[in-house]
Amino acid sequence: KQEVTQIPAALSVPEGENLVLNCSFTDSAIYNLQWFRQDPGKGLTSLLLIQSSQREQTSGRLNASLDKSSGRSTLYIAASQPGDSATYLCAMMGQGGSEKLVFGKGMKLTVNP
Amino acid sequence: AAGVIQSPRHLIKEKRETATLKCYPIPRHDTVYWYQQGPGQDPQFLISFYEKMQSDKGSIPDRFSAQQFSDYHSELNMSSLELGDSALYFCASSLSGLLAGGRWNEQFFGPGTRLTVL
Repeated sequence: KQEVTQIPAALSVPEGENLVLNCSFTDSAIYNLQWFRQDPGKGLTSLLLIQSSQREQTSGRLNASLDKSSGRSTLYIAASQPGDSATYLCAMMGQGGSEKLVFGKGMKLTVNP
Repeated sequence: AAGVIQSPRHLIKEKRETATLKCYPIPRHDTVYWYQQGPGQDPQFLISFYEKMQSDKGSIPDRFSAQQFSDYHSELNMSSLELGDSALYFCASSLSGLLAGGRWNEQFFGPGTRLTVL
């Protein structure tokens, strides 16, 4: 059974810090991995998608990397801002025909002004 | 850009009632997914449809059914509602092919329907 883990569950930092959010998965037969942002009671906003053949993707202040051999993905947030406060979830799609996403439990980020 | 549309956004039902949730995928997307997110939980996959055919099934109770129609919109039907069915229900859509920038099968989520069962 595929499992996705995000540690820590919550993080509180001062504005301006560069952040590292971690995601680990048990099944190396990964098709792709998506990082999402969720504001309280809201939907999921796709931030970055990394295919299994890729090592990293970048969008603005965000950079996500993928290391299949170690079963890890990392989301870097540069120069954090209070508006980055949200819950960040990673989700993997495995190989083998199923297109369902298996989510981690998320990491709640608070960026203090 | 068009996004995934879900209706209604909020729904309050009594136990044992039925509910129907609707999802309108992004135009030209061929795959629709349903996920359930309980309070403080991560989203759990329920069911998916590719080109109007069920393509995968997850932890969906037998009391729930879903289908995708000829115009690609999807409906999740929930019967004999229980208190534990209270959750956010998300619909997502994707294109099973290559999007711009090499992004295959990226799933785009709707705003969700918040179902409260009393």
